[in-house]
Amino acid sequence: EPEVTQTPSHQVTQMGQEVILRCVPISNHLYFYWYRQILGQKVEFLVSFYNNEISEKSEIFDDQFSVERPDGSNFTLKIRSTKLEDSAMYFCASSDEGGSNQPQHFGDGTRLSIL
Amino acid sequence: AQSVTQLDSHVSVSEGTPVLLRCNYSSSYSPSLFWYVQHPNKGLQLLLKYTSAATLVKGINGFEAEFKKSETSFHLTKPSAHMSDAAEYFCVVREPFLGYGQNFVFGPGTRLSVLP
Repeated sequence: EPEVTQTPSHQVTQMGQEVILRCVPISNHLYFYWYRQILGQKVEFLVSFYNNEISEKSEIFDDQFSVERPDGSNFTLKIRSTKLEDSAMYFCASSDEGGSNQPQHFGDGTRLSIL
Repeated sequence: AQSVTQLDSHVSVSEGTPVLLRCNYSSSYSPSLFWYVQHPNKGLQLLLKYTSAATLVKGINGFEAEFKKSETSFHLTKPSAHMSDAAEYFCVVREPFLGYGQNFVFGPGTRLSVLP
């Protein structure tokens, strides 16, 4: 069964540095998403992406964050000037359609640790 | 705006006994509802979804959930727990917005422990 893959599985970065989290969505999917889960807290929506542009973003997704689909397969989340509170598990997801009844397929996540 | 409540942060059952994980939601529209499972150090796996067809939805691994509009509930059940069911379970609601973005709203999760 096709999977969403995320790399790396664990990223350790010094505070203030930039980090890029990478995702390869399922190949025929058109809608892409990023979520984060701070330890012990809820899974929170960050951003959705369709047709090479952001379709929706949450309050969390401020100017520190950006997303990109640099080629036909990768979908990246860039975090600039990382802060301690950015430490979390980051999940990428994709879906083949954007309808509300369509499930999203999630990767295994990248654990980001900011030191 | 939609929201999801999972009343139990932790449920513990014995192997072979029934499982009930509770979920209540609020939504201004007719929502789609999902249950996801997260095993330790793994991603989120779809168990089942409700999308306004049958109110009793069957999913993978013997799980099922019943949509009750009058109670705004979507509880997850399984007749007989297995050790491999031990995981975190998330109820998710999704309602259509005006734009393209139709993000999921996650409940806080229920940790299921299965005792031998």
